Amino acid sequence: DVKVTQSSRYLVKRTGEKVFLECVQDMDHENMFWYRQDPGLGLRLIYFSYDVKMKEKGDIPEGYSVSREKKERFSLILESASTNQTSMYLCASSLWSGMNTEAFFGQGTRLTVV
Amino acid sequence: AQSVAQPEDQVNVAEGNPLTVKCTYSVSGNPYLFWYVQYPNRGLQFLLKYITGDNLVKGSYGFEAEFNKSQTSFHLKKPSALVSDSALYFCAVRDSGTSGTYKYIFGTGTRLKVLA
Repeated sequence: DVKVTQSSRYLVKRTGEKVFLECVQDMDHENMFWYRQDPGLGLRLIYFSYDVKMKEKGDIPEGYSVSREKKERFSLILESASTNQTSMYLCASSLWSGMNTEAFFGQGTRLTVV
Repeated sequence: AQSVAQPEDQVNVAEGNPLTVKCTYSVSGNPYLFWYVQYPNRGLQFLLKYITGDNLVKGSYGFEAEFNKSQTSFHLKKPSALVSDSALYFCAVRDSGTSGTYKYIFGTGTRLKVLA
């Protein structure tokens, strides 16, 4: 079974703090993704990565950055947390190609910025 | 750009009745379509996918989905709903990015409530 693990289930941070959300997958997937989920808005893509050190902006990259130094690990960084970044953050991974192309998700990190 | 729409925020169905959760899509080329389920405070779980082949796709927990190219729809169905099916359901499409990459575009979700 594919396992995608996010480092925290719940986080509370103060405005202005630098926040790191970590994600690790154990299936040697090339692609990794960070989404945020807000009621009524569904899942919105923040950033994704298709290889080590490679990244692409998603639909809402402002205020975020990412790091992928190893294939299995994809980090999301909030440079200076703000209250409008309070949300559920979901990490996912998938194969680069082939028929088994579905994404697998971590359990989510619910971040509250106060 | 690719997109998916889930026209219903919530669907209510009585236990034992058939259920349908609707999804329509807009893509260029052949669509790769997916359904996911989310239980409270959890990540998304993959249910089923359509890549090619038979228009009726079977997935986990007795769910199935019907791909209809002419109506650009990919509705999720189950013949007999269970209370435990109550959850948030997302439809998604795979979208090509730059440099041969791809990403997933999700609908806004439909909350399914199965009433005992």
